Amino acid sequence: EAGVTQFPSHSVIEKGQTVTLRCDPISGHDNLYWYRRVMGKEIKFLLHFVKESKQDESGMPNNRFLAERTGGTYSTLKVQPAELEDSGVYFCASSKTGYTEAFFGQGTRLTVV
Amino acid sequence: GENVEQHPSTLSVQEGDSAVIKCTYSDSASNYFPWYKQELGKGPQLIIDIRSNVGEKKDQRIAVTLNKTAKHFSLHITETQPEDSAVYFCAAEPSRVKAAGNKLTFGGGTRVLVKP
Repeated sequence: EAGVTQFPSHSVIEKGQTVTLRCDPISGHDNLYWYRRVMGKEIKFLLHFVKESKQDESGMPNNRFLAERTGGTYSTLKVQPAELEDSGVYFCASSKTGYTEAFFGQGTRLTVV
Repeated sequence: GENVEQHPSTLSVQEGDSAVIKCTYSDSASNYFPWYKQELGKGPQLIIDIRSNVGEKKDQRIAVTLNKTAKHFSLHITETQPEDSAVYFCAAEPSRVKAAGNKLTFGGGTRVLVKP
C-alpha cells in the first residue's frame, strides 16, 4: 500500500511568487491534514479536510494560503504571494475515519528567497 | 488551545544507554498522546502512543508513561542503538468533539544522537 505522497520534495521560489504543494493521501483515508514546521520549531496544524470539506482551518496563517481537496482525493496548498516567513517544511497527513493514527508524508521543504 | 512543551531539545547518549524525553501539556481534556520519530529526509512516523485511560505502555525497547494529574508524559528508549538517532516529537490530541478525526498539537522536537 502506497503511503502519503507529497510533491515537490523541495521548492525554492522568490518572494511574491506563487507555489502549489500537492498531497496524495493513502487511498481510502477520508481525513487529510496539513501541518507546517518553521525554523526548527514545533510542527503546527494548518487545516483538516474530511473528504472534500474543510473541517477545521483554524491554523491557516492568513488569506495568502488556499487549500483545496478535489473530489475528496488529493489536496493542494497554494501560497500566493509567498513571503519570506512562509519558508519551512510542509507536511501532509491522512487517517481513516474512526482511527486516530495519522500517517505523514515526507514533507515539502519550501524556501522563499 | 492546547500547548505542548518538550524537553530536552537535544540529547546525546552512548550506545546501549537509555534516553528519556519529557513532555507537558496544558489542556486537561487531551486524551491521546502519540510519539513520532522523524529520520533525515522522511516524514514523522508513529512509534508509540498512549491514551488517557492508561498509565504506561511498552513496545520492545520503547515505553511511554502518562501522568494525567501532572499533565506530563515521557518517552523511554532503552538499550539505544545508532538507528535510534532521529528527531522525536511528542503530541497531544484534544478531546474528540467531532467523530471525523482531529488535529494534533506537537512539542518542539528532540534531536537524539546515539554515539557508537
